Amino acid sequence: SAVISQKPSRDICQRGTSLTIQCQVDSQVTMMFWYRQQPGQSLTLIATANQGSEATYESGFVIDKFPISRPNLTFSTLTVSNMSPEDSSIYLCSADRAGHYEQYFGPGTRLTVT
Amino acid sequence: AQSVSQHNHHVILSEAASLELGCNYSYGGTVNLFWYVQYPGQHLQLLLKYFSGDPLVKGIKGFEAEFIKSKFSFNLRKPSVQWSDTAEYFCAVNPRAGNNRKLIWGLGTSLAVNP
Repeated sequence: SAVISQKPSRDICQRGTSLTIQCQVDSQVTMMFWYRQQPGQSLTLIATANQGSEATYESGFVIDKFPISRPNLTFSTLTVSNMSPEDSSIYLCSADRAGHYEQYFGPGTRLTVT
Repeated sequence: AQSVSQHNHHVILSEAASLELGCNYSYGGTVNLFWYVQYPGQHLQLLLKYFSGDPLVKGIKGFEAEFIKSKFSFNLRKPSVQWSDTAEYFCAVNPRAGNNRKLIWGLGTSLAVNP
C-alpha cells in the first residue's frame, strides 16, 4: 500500500483567491489523481497528474481553474484558482502503482469558500 | 457512457443482520472491480478488489463480493454486520482498455448499523 498525506487538511478562503493543496506519497507511485467530493456524495475525477508533463483533465475541468503540478514521483499539487462558493468541497489526492490498479487515498482537504 | 450503479443509497440495519449492497456497471469489456469504504471522519480505504480468477473475493473485516460477469454485477456482502460497519460504501470499476487507470465510481451507499 501507499500512505498519502495532504496539506492543508481544511481551509476557509475568500472568493477570488487561490489555494494550493499539496499531496505527498511515502513511496514511488505511477499515477496520481485529483478528485472532488461533495459531502455525502461520490467522487468526481478532476485530472490525472502526470510526472514531468501536463496533467490530463476530465470533461468540465480546465487547467486555468485547476492547475496541477507533479515535479516527481511522490509529490503533486492542485491549485484551485479564483475561487467561488461553488468550489467548496473536499479535494482528494490518490495514487496507484504500475501493475496495481487499486488507488490509495489521502485524507482530503476540506475547502470552504466564503 | 460507462457508468456504475449502486442500487441502495441508504441502508439501515440492526447489528447481526446480513448485508448485501448492489453494484452494476455498464461496460462490455474486461474490468477491474473495487469496493471502497469511508468510515465517518476517515479517508477512503480499499475493502476488496477483483482482477481475475475466483469470482468470489474476500476482503477485510469479513466482507466479500461476488463478480457475476453475465449480470455485470459486483455485489458486496457480509453475513453479520456490526455497529462499526457504519460507513459510506463505494463501488468502483476500472475498464481495462489500453493503459486506462481511471476508476468510475458509483454514487455510494450510506450504511447505518444500529446497536
